[in-house]
Amino acid sequence: DTAVSQTPKYLVTQMGNDKSIKCEQNLGHDTMYWYKQDSKKFLKIMFSYNNKELIINETVPNRFSPKSPDKAHLNLHINSLELGDSAVYFCASSQGMEQKAFFGQGTRLTVV
Amino acid sequence: GNSVTQMEGPVTLSEEAFLTINCTYTATGYPSLFWYVQYPGEGLQLLLKATKADDKGSNKGFEATYRKETTSFHLEKGSVQVSDSAVYFCALSVDFGNEKLTFGTGTRLTIIP
Repeated sequence: DTAVSQTPKYLVTQMGNDKSIKCEQNLGHDTMYWYKQDSKKFLKIMFSYNNKELIINETVPNRFSPKSPDKAHLNLHINSLELGDSAVYFCASSQGMEQKAFFGQGTRLTVV
Repeated sequence: GNSVTQMEGPVTLSEEAFLTINCTYTATGYPSLFWYVQYPGEGLQLLLKATKADDKGSNKGFEATYRKETTSFHLEKGSVQVSDSAVYFCALSVDFGNEKLTFGTGTRLTIIP
């Protein structure tokens, strides 16, 4: 049973397209996150949702929009993709921000 | 495939105690190894890393040595402080064309005064 699953695992798309990455957790957690991993393996938090409410919204372009239809899902929608958006995106979840986070396997996004 | 196994925790220590959090890995190829830390209420931050065998990563008094013979990357600190209370994640990356990170399950550390 996968605790945090994200789809797709790999995504190759052209500049200018709009794409979504889906994330689902079956742990019953109330907090979910999106991280971006850069080429040097630094993880930068992008968004955090707690009970479907936006808690952390770091400085990311408006082209990135998270959507949380319910506590178990946090999807990431990206408009007008640019070359610099190429990265690995990790979804994670935790029970409150005080508890450890469980990570998905990551989605490698390549914009060409 | 690649995997990371670390101490389950939680770990509770008194201030100024010696800390070890074990981490072992399996990987295809030659991984780079990382420790990340998540402080309460914050996102993950890179704590230290090592990119080849026998390298020692260090930061904020924490150290970890890349041991290829034992496939380990244990995190140590000689004297912990209350401010070190956090969740610690061991991770690896096998750089065949910039592969993504594989995380361990995290270890919660609590330091009591």
